[in-house]
This record gives sequence, structure tokens and C-alpha cells, in this order.
Amino acid sequence: QKEVEQDPGPLSVPEGAIVSLNCTYSNSAFQYFMWYRQYSRKGPELLMYTYSSGNKEDGRFTAQVDKSSKYISLFIRDSQPSDSATYLCAMSNFGNEKLTFGTGTRLTIIP
Amino acid sequence: GAVVSQHPSWVICKSGTSVKIECRSLDFQATTMFWYRQFPKQSLMLMATSNEGSKATYEQGVEKDKFLINHASLTLSTLTVTSAHPEDSSFYICSARRLASTDTQYFGPGTRLTVL
Repeated sequence: QKEVEQDPGPLSVPEGAIVSLNCTYSNSAFQYFMWYRQYSRKGPELLMYTYSSGNKEDGRFTAQVDKSSKYISLFIRDSQPSDSATYLCAMSNFGNEKLTFGTGTRLTIIP
Repeated sequence: GAVVSQHPSWVICKSGTSVKIECRSLDFQATTMFWYRQFPKQSLMLMATSNEGSKATYEQGVEKDKFLINHASLTLSTLTVTSAHPEDSSFYICSARRLASTDTQYFGPGTRLTVL
């Protein structure tokens, strides 16, 4: 079993829809949770960074962490074609510099 | 803030030659930089962790004599692929972590290496 599981997709939704992206993990020591967006042939771009359980909102993006279920989510409201990319979840232990990544979900927003 | 650059953005070389890739943190100091490689439609694979002024720590299965890493300053790390072969063709991405201990990694735009 991988430490971090993420549905690779591809996921296609119409413009304006709400998108839900998810990751599950097995290591209960993870405390820092991140979502990165990666466009084709580009480096990952940090979207959201959260610590421990709870919600965090930034514009159209909301990150949720449920440590009791070992489950994290990223919601995108009013999705735009420019949101079409691969979304990677990542997480780390306290004091551990290394990130453990999910496999990434390819998302396409259809105009 | 937190901008990381890489140079070159792409490079094509002949088999047997060496290629150097630079990673710079432009607006912050990074005590730690990381080097990843990514194959098409796959996630990032950590190759090594580089700390300023000390030897890099390589992940299991990564040849340290083939992938030379130097972290000479708080804003620059280099990865040299020595005696490159076609199987080394990949997308190489660096990231940098700011001095704050709880901060996350900021990634460069990546370098696409093609070895003929």
C-alpha cells in the first residue's frame, strides 16, 4: 500500500462546476498538507498549505484536512479552463523536510 | 515571494557528455534544496536533499557519482548529470525550502533533459 493514495483521473468537468480532489494517506505522523498545481512541462506551483486538521480557504480554493480519517480534499469553486492541470497532494511529518506526494490527478475543465 | 528559477529550461546533449542544471532561489535564502525527477504522467521522485555547505543526501537507488550535487550558497544548488545516457532523459525539478522550519517547498519550473 502506498503512503499516499490519489486517484489519477483523468477528471473532466464543465466550466463553472465545483471540483473535488482527494487524497488518503496511511501515515498518522503527517501533519503538514499541501496541494500543488502542475501545468504540462512546468514545475509544481504551491496552491494551499495547511497544518493539522481543519479548513483553509483562498479565493476559489478550499483545502480540508481530516486527520481522524486520514483524508484531505481540495475544492475548486467556479472552475475555469485555466484550472486544467495536474493536481498533486503532498504531506510531511513535523520536522521532516521530505514531502510524500500523491500520484497527481489530471483535471480538465471543459469550456 | 518564494520564486525559484532553473537554468536551462531544456537541454539536448549527446550520450556520454555531462550536463549541469542550476537551481536558484531568487527572493529568499534556502538552507535546503531538493532535486526531483519526473517521468511522463508520473509523480515526482525525490533524488536527493541538498544542504548549503554540506554533502547531499541521496535517496536509495540514486547514484551519487552520476548525479553530482553542489549547494555552494544559500541561493544556488547545481545538479550535474555525468556521462549522460538516453535513460537519463527526464524532467528534472528542483525545490527550495526557506529558513523557517515549518515552511514548505517551492519548486522551480523544471529542466527537460534529452540525451541522444
